[in-house]
Amino acid sequence: GAGVSQSPSNKVTEKGKDVELRCDPISGHTALYWYRQRLGQGLEFLIYFQGNSAPDKSGLPSDRFSAERTGESVSTLTIQRTQQEDSAVYLCASSQAGGKSYEQYFGPGTRLTVT
Amino acid sequence: AQSVSQHNHHVILSEAASLELGCNYSYGGTVNLFWYVQYPGQHLQLLLKYFSGDPLVKGIKGFEAEFIKSKFSFNLRKPSVQWSDTAEYFCAVNRGNKLVFGAGTILRVKS
Repeated sequence: GAGVSQSPSNKVTEKGKDVELRCDPISGHTALYWYRQRLGQGLEFLIYFQGNSAPDKSGLPSDRFSAERTGESVSTLTIQRTQQEDSAVYLCASSQAGGKSYEQYFGPGTRLTVT
Repeated sequence: AQSVSQHNHHVILSEAASLELGCNYSYGGTVNLFWYVQYPGQHLQLLLKYFSGDPLVKGIKGFEAEFIKSKFSFNLRKPSVQWSDTAEYFCAVNRGNKLVFGAGTILRVKS
Protein backbone atom coordinates (compact mmCIF):
# COMPACT_ATOMS: atom_id res chain seq x y z
CA GLY A 1 0.00 0.00 0.00
CA ALA A 2 0.94 3.64 -0.11
CA GLY A 3 3.50 4.86 2.34
CA VAL A 4 3.81 8.17 4.12
CA SER A 5 3.93 11.03 1.65
CA GLN A 6 5.16 14.56 2.18
CA SER A 7 4.99 17.72 0.16
CA PRO A 8 6.74 19.67 -1.11
CA SER A 9 9.90 17.62 -1.46
CA ASN A 10 12.00 20.78 -1.54
CA LYS A 11 11.22 24.29 -0.38
CA VAL A 12 13.42 27.35 -0.65
CA THR A 13 12.18 30.43 1.18
CA GLU A 14 13.46 33.79 2.20
CA LYS A 15 14.20 34.56 5.81
CA GLY A 16 11.12 35.95 7.53
CA LYS A 17 8.57 34.20 5.35
CA ASP A 18 6.13 31.57 6.61
CA VAL A 19 6.16 28.02 5.26
CA GLU A 20 3.73 25.14 5.46
CA LEU A 21 4.77 21.51 5.13
CA ARG A 22 2.32 18.70 4.55
CA CYS A 23 2.24 15.06 5.61
CA ASP A 24 -0.14 12.30 4.51
CA PRO A 25 0.23 9.31 6.85
CA ILE A 26 -0.43 5.70 5.99
CA SER A 27 -4.17 5.08 5.92
CA GLY A 28 -5.40 3.75 9.24
CA HIS A 29 -2.40 4.89 11.22
CA THR A 30 -3.59 6.80 14.25
CA ALA A 31 -0.22 8.13 15.39
CA LEU A 32 1.76 10.78 13.51
CA TYR A 33 5.13 12.30 14.28
CA TRP A 34 7.21 15.19 12.97
CA TYR A 35 11.00 15.18 13.22
CA ARG A 36 13.70 17.56 12.03
CA GLN A 37 17.12 16.55 10.73
CA ARG A 38 19.77 19.19 10.51
CA LEU A 39 22.88 18.57 8.42
CA GLY A 40 25.19 16.04 10.08
CA GLN A 41 22.84 15.43 12.98
CA GLY A 42 20.31 12.83 13.97
CA LEU A 43 16.59 13.32 13.88
CA GLU A 44 15.07 15.59 16.52
CA PHE A 45 11.51 14.99 17.66
CA LEU A 46 9.16 17.92 17.15
CA ILE A 47 5.55 16.88 17.80
CA TYR A 48 3.33 13.78 18.13
CA PHE A 49 -0.36 13.30 17.42
CA GLN A 50 -2.37 10.31 18.59
CA GLY A 51 -6.01 10.10 17.63
CA ASN A 52 -8.06 12.79 19.30
CA SER A 53 -5.69 13.23 22.23
CA ALA A 54 -3.91 16.51 22.86
CA PRO A 55 -0.68 16.51 20.85
CA ASP A 56 2.72 16.19 22.52
CA LYS A 57 4.39 19.45 21.52
CA SER A 58 7.40 19.05 23.77
CA GLY A 59 9.91 19.03 20.90
CA LEU A 60 8.84 22.22 19.15
CA PRO A 61 11.88 24.53 19.32
CA SER A 62 10.01 27.85 19.50
CA ASP A 63 6.57 29.39 19.23
CA ARG A 64 7.24 30.02 15.54
CA PHE A 65 6.57 26.32 15.02
CA SER A 66 3.08 24.86 15.08
CA ALA A 67 1.35 21.81 13.69
CA GLU A 68 -2.16 20.63 13.12
CA ARG A 69 -3.74 17.34 12.24
CA THR A 70 -7.19 16.80 10.81
CA GLY A 71 -8.65 13.79 12.56
CA GLU A 72 -6.46 10.82 11.74
CA SER A 73 -5.31 12.06 8.37
CA VAL A 74 -3.28 14.92 6.97
CA SER A 75 -0.98 17.00 9.13
CA THR A 76 0.60 20.35 8.41
CA LEU A 77 3.69 21.79 10.08
CA THR A 78 3.87 25.57 9.91
CA ILE A 79 6.99 27.61 10.54
CA GLN A 80 6.40 31.34 10.87
CA ARG A 81 9.02 34.02 10.26
CA THR A 82 11.58 31.46 9.12
CA GLN A 83 15.19 31.81 10.19
CA GLN A 84 18.32 30.37 8.61
CA GLU A 85 18.68 27.88 11.46
CA ASP A 86 15.35 26.37 10.41
CA SER A 87 17.06 24.96 7.32
CA ALA A 88 16.78 21.19 7.65
CA VAL A 89 14.98 18.13 6.37
CA TYR A 90 11.58 17.78 8.02
CA LEU A 91 10.45 14.19 8.30
CA CYS A 92 7.00 12.87 9.05
CA ALA A 93 6.31 9.38 10.36
CA SER A 94 3.19 7.44 11.20
CA SER A 95 2.49 4.31 13.18
CA GLN A 96 -0.46 2.01 13.63
CA ALA A 97 -0.96 3.37 17.13
CA GLY A 98 0.95 5.33 19.69
CA GLY A 99 3.33 3.88 22.23
CA LYS A 100 6.58 1.99 22.24
CA SER A 101 5.53 -1.18 20.49
CA TYR A 102 4.65 0.17 17.09
CA GLU A 103 7.09 0.73 14.25
CA GLN A 104 7.24 4.23 12.85
CA TYR A 105 7.15 4.48 9.05
CA PHE A 106 8.89 7.51 7.63
CA GLY A 107 8.11 9.70 4.65
CA PRO A 108 10.71 11.03 2.21
CA GLY A 109 11.00 14.36 3.98
CA THR A 110 10.81 18.00 2.94
CA ARG A 111 14.14 19.74 2.50
CA LEU A 112 13.72 23.33 3.68
CA THR A 113 16.32 25.94 2.78
CA VAL A 114 16.01 29.40 4.26
CA THR A 115 18.06 32.00 2.41
CA ALA B 1 22.13 14.84 29.23
CA GLN B 2 20.35 11.67 28.28
CA SER B 3 21.20 10.71 24.72
CA VAL B 4 22.04 8.16 22.06
CA SER B 5 25.65 8.07 20.88
CA GLN B 6 27.01 6.62 17.69
CA HIS B 7 30.76 6.42 17.81
CA ASN B 8 31.72 6.72 14.17
CA HIS B 9 30.30 9.30 11.82
CA HIS B 10 31.97 7.92 8.69
CA VAL B 11 33.04 4.33 8.01
CA ILE B 12 34.66 3.10 4.81
CA LEU B 13 34.96 -0.62 4.18
CA SER B 14 35.81 -2.88 1.30
CA GLU B 15 33.29 -5.45 0.14
CA ALA B 16 33.31 -8.65 2.22
CA ALA B 17 34.73 -6.87 5.26
CA SER B 18 32.93 -7.27 8.57
CA LEU B 19 30.95 -4.37 9.99
CA GLU B 20 30.28 -3.26 13.53
CA LEU B 21 28.65 0.10 14.25
CA GLY B 22 28.57 1.18 17.84
CA CYS B 23 25.55 2.61 19.64
CA ASN B 24 25.32 3.55 23.31
CA TYR B 25 22.42 5.11 25.15
CA SER B 26 22.21 6.75 28.52
CA TYR B 27 18.64 5.97 29.57
CA GLY B 28 17.85 3.74 32.52
CA GLY B 29 15.04 1.28 32.87
CA THR B 30 13.36 -0.64 30.11
CA VAL B 31 14.29 0.51 26.62
CA ASN B 32 13.11 -0.30 23.13
CA LEU B 33 15.97 -0.05 20.64
CA PHE B 34 16.04 0.37 16.89
CA TRP B 35 18.39 0.60 13.96
CA TYR B 36 17.13 2.51 10.93
CA VAL B 37 18.84 2.77 7.56
CA GLN B 38 18.59 5.36 4.83
CA TYR B 39 19.86 4.25 1.44
CA PRO B 40 20.81 7.00 -1.02
CA GLY B 41 17.67 8.67 -2.32
CA GLN B 42 15.34 6.53 -0.23
CA HIS B 43 13.20 6.86 2.87
CA LEU B 44 14.42 6.04 6.33
CA GLN B 45 13.44 2.42 6.98
CA LEU B 46 13.59 0.02 9.89
CA LEU B 47 16.50 -2.42 9.85
CA LEU B 48 15.80 -4.20 13.15
CA LYS B 49 14.40 -3.64 16.62
CA TYR B 50 14.71 -4.97 20.15
CA PHE B 51 11.85 -4.91 22.62
CA SER B 52 12.53 -7.87 24.90
CA GLY B 53 13.70 -11.48 24.92
CA ASP B 54 16.75 -12.74 23.06
CA PRO B 55 19.29 -9.90 23.13
CA LEU B 56 20.65 -10.94 19.74
CA VAL B 57 18.26 -9.56 17.16
CA LYS B 58 18.30 -10.40 13.49
CA GLY B 59 17.07 -7.93 10.89
CA ILE B 60 16.80 -7.60 7.17
CA LYS B 61 19.65 -8.05 4.68
CA GLY B 62 21.82 -10.09 7.03
CA PHE B 63 22.15 -7.45 9.73
CA GLU B 64 22.02 -8.27 13.43
CA ALA B 65 22.40 -6.32 16.65
CA GLU B 66 23.19 -7.30 20.20
CA PHE B 67 21.65 -5.62 23.21
CA ILE B 68 24.05 -5.58 26.16
CA LYS B 69 22.17 -4.08 29.08
CA SER B 70 25.21 -3.78 31.34
CA LYS B 71 27.01 -1.73 28.72
CA PHE B 72 23.96 0.28 27.59
CA SER B 73 24.87 -0.76 24.08
CA PHE B 74 23.10 -1.95 20.96
CA ASN B 75 25.78 -2.46 18.32
CA LEU B 76 24.93 -3.31 14.73
CA ARG B 77 26.87 -6.03 12.93
CA LYS B 78 27.13 -7.70 9.56
CA PRO B 79 29.70 -10.41 8.83
CA SER B 80 30.31 -9.46 5.19
CA VAL B 81 29.22 -6.14 3.72
CA GLN B 82 28.20 -5.53 0.14
CA TRP B 83 28.43 -2.43 -2.01
CA SER B 84 24.64 -2.12 -1.70
CA ASP B 85 24.98 -1.60 2.07
CA THR B 86 26.28 1.90 1.39
CA ALA B 87 23.87 4.05 3.40
CA GLU B 88 23.45 6.09 6.56
CA TYR B 89 22.60 4.10 9.68
CA PHE B 90 20.80 5.51 12.71
CA CYS B 91 20.42 4.02 16.16
CA ALA B 92 17.31 5.08 18.11
CA VAL B 93 15.72 4.59 21.51
CA ASN B 94 12.00 4.88 22.15
CA ARG B 95 11.24 7.33 24.94
CA GLY B 96 7.55 7.81 25.58
CA ASN B 97 5.95 9.22 22.47
CA LYS B 98 9.10 9.72 20.48
CA LEU B 99 12.25 8.16 19.11
CA VAL B 100 15.56 9.66 20.20
CA PHE B 101 18.13 9.21 17.44
CA GLY B 102 21.88 9.11 17.35
CA ALA B 103 23.69 11.39 14.91
CA GLY B 104 24.03 8.62 12.32
CA THR B 105 26.92 6.73 10.73
CA ILE B 106 27.59 7.05 7.02
CA LEU B 107 28.86 3.75 5.67
CA ARG B 108 30.58 3.60 2.31
CA VAL B 109 31.42 0.21 0.91
CA LYS B 110 34.06 0.16 -1.81
CA SER B 111 33.55 -2.38 -4.56
